Amino acid sequence: KQEVTQIPAALSVPEGENLVLNCSFTDSAIYNLQWFRQDPGKGLTSLLLIQSSQREQTSGRLNASLDKSSGRSTLYIAASQPGDSATYLCAVIRYSGGGADGLTFGKGTHLIIQP
Amino acid sequence: GAGVSQSPSNKVTEKGKDVELRCDPISGHTALYWYRQSLGQGLEFLIYFQGNSAPDKSGLPSDRFSAERTGGSVSTLTIQRTQQEDSAVYLCASSYSRGNTEAFFGQGTRLTVV
Repeated sequence: KQEVTQIPAALSVPEGENLVLNCSFTDSAIYNLQWFRQDPGKGLTSLLLIQSSQREQTSGRLNASLDKSSGRSTLYIAASQPGDSATYLCAVIRYSGGGADGLTFGKGTHLIIQP
Repeated sequence: GAGVSQSPSNKVTEKGKDVELRCDPISGHTALYWYRQSLGQGLEFLIYFQGNSAPDKSGLPSDRFSAERTGGSVSTLTIQRTQQEDSAVYLCASSYSRGNTEAFFGQGTRLTVV
């Protein structure tokens, strides 16, 4: 059974810092991996999708890496801003029969960027 | 539509009543997921539909919960004889099953059982 762990559970840093959020998964047979953010009282917003054949994806100040063999992904946020404050969730897209077969989420990292 | 649409956005119901929550996925998406999130908690998987395959119902918390997906598109989550512990935000997501499997979530239905 796939399990996804996110470390740290919570993080509070001053504005402007670069930071790294970690995600690990137990079964390396994944299809893709996706990072989301969730603002309080809102739904989930997709940030980045990394396909299993890729090692990283970038979008603006965000960079996500994937190391399938070690079961790890990191989300790097450069020059953090107060608007980055949210819960960040990692989801592994399971692989079965040549295609995607369900999402497994971590419990998230609650990030606070202090102005 | 352009995104995943859920209705209603808010629902208040009396304990013991049945409720139906609706999800309209992105057109063409073959995978559809239901999750729920209680206040301050993480996502709890409920059910997963994949094309014409039998759904993965392993996350449904009791037999009061059921879901169907008609015509491979719209999905309805039904909760019978609602209890106060069913109060939560119910989230729906959809995606393709191959290639770019980026999943997109709706804004959720906030269910309050009084």
